[in-house]
Parts: sequence; structure tokens; C-alpha cells
Amino acid sequence: GENVEQHPSTLSVQEGDSAVIKCTYSDSASNYFPWYKQELGKRPQLIIDIRSNVGEKKDQRIAVTLNKTAKHFSLHITETQPEDSAVYFCAASRGGGGTSYGKLTFGQGTILTVHP
Amino acid sequence: NAGVTQTPKFRVLKTGQSMTLLCAQDMNHEYMYWYRQDPGMGLRLIHYSVGEGTTAKGEVPDGYNVSRLKKQNFLLGLESAAPSQTSVYFCASRTGGVDTQYFGPGTRLTVL
Repeated sequence: GENVEQHPSTLSVQEGDSAVIKCTYSDSASNYFPWYKQELGKRPQLIIDIRSNVGEKKDQRIAVTLNKTAKHFSLHITETQPEDSAVYFCAASRGGGGTSYGKLTFGQGTILTVHP
Repeated sequence: NAGVTQTPKFRVLKTGQSMTLLCAQDMNHEYMYWYRQDPGMGLRLIHYSVGEGTTAKGEVPDGYNVSRLKKQNFLLGLESAAPSQTSVYFCASRTGGVDTQYFGPGTRLTVL
């Protein structure tokens, strides 16, 4: 089955700096890669996702890059703000079609702390 | 439109007791999933359902059973709770053709 490794487990930055979180995956058939943000005591919420036919996707201050050959993808947050402090999870899936049924395999999570 | 809801929010059980967690969604989603979240381990899939009346095992199914008698509800049962099942349980759902999963608020379960 799929295995997703996420690094670092904790990340501390100053407000305004950039933050980068990296994930690797093992299943070459995975084609859907979402990132979730989870604030303390809250549910995971999707912040951005990318499919394997795209190398990069941006949404304001966040971006995700994908390297299919190396089987890794990264989350980039620019101009970080204290409200970006949360746990971030990457995940991988073969997508909703076929017998994978959209099952997600999650990384272990990264605790991001943005200091004012 | 409440999205995905979970009942209860918190529960404390004694070893050997049983309970059922309820997940409900009002988005007419075909697919529903149960995950558990433990510190340092991310979210792990317990069971999932691809439609009313269907269920399947995920990554960590042992000790749990599920049922999906109605499309909008997905129940997770613990027949004989163990301390190792202390965790936060999240339900998620999605519609066919769209990969995005929407999560419920979670149930924090403690087994003493």
C-alpha cells in the first residue's frame, strides 16, 4: 500500500518568513495530493491540492509543487502570519476512480509555529 | 446545510464497554470514511463505504465494525473497547467524481 513520509515534524518561523513542508510517497499510481490544515481541537480543512498532471499550483500565499519522478511534493507558505500556526498534513491518493475509492494516506503532520 | 456532523463530541469508556459513533452528512455524498488520529501518526483509515449498504476495511480495521444502512449515515462501532482505541475519530465524506474529502468535527474517545 501507499506510504507517505512528511518532514519536518515541527517548524518554527518568524512572521513574514517562508515555510516549506515536504512529503514523499511510495505508490507511483497516486495522482491526487491534498494538503490539510488543522487548528487545535478542530477538524482538518483542505487548503490546497494538486493532481499528477500539474507540477505547481498557487493560491495566494500558499503553493504546492509536485515532482512525480522523485515522488515528492511540497507545501510552500510565503509571508507567514501568526494565524498560519497549525498542524499541516499532506496526503496521497490514487483518486476517486477505480477500486481505490479515493482513500487517502496521510503523512504524520507538521506543527508550524509562526512567531510574531 | 450542516455538512458533516459527528455524535458524540466526547466520550469516556471503561475497558470492555461498547459504543457507537455516528457520522451524518447532508450533502448526498456517496463515499464516507472513518479515520482515527493519534499523536505523531497523522490520520489512519479505519473503514470506508462507497455507497449505501456497502462497507470495506481500511488500514486499521481491527476492533471496529461499521454500518451504512442509510446513505447519509455511517456508524462506527466498538464492541469491546480497549485503551489502545483511545483516540480522536474523524469522519469524512465526498461525492463521486470529486476527490475532496470533507471532515466532521471529530469525537474524542478515552478508554480507561
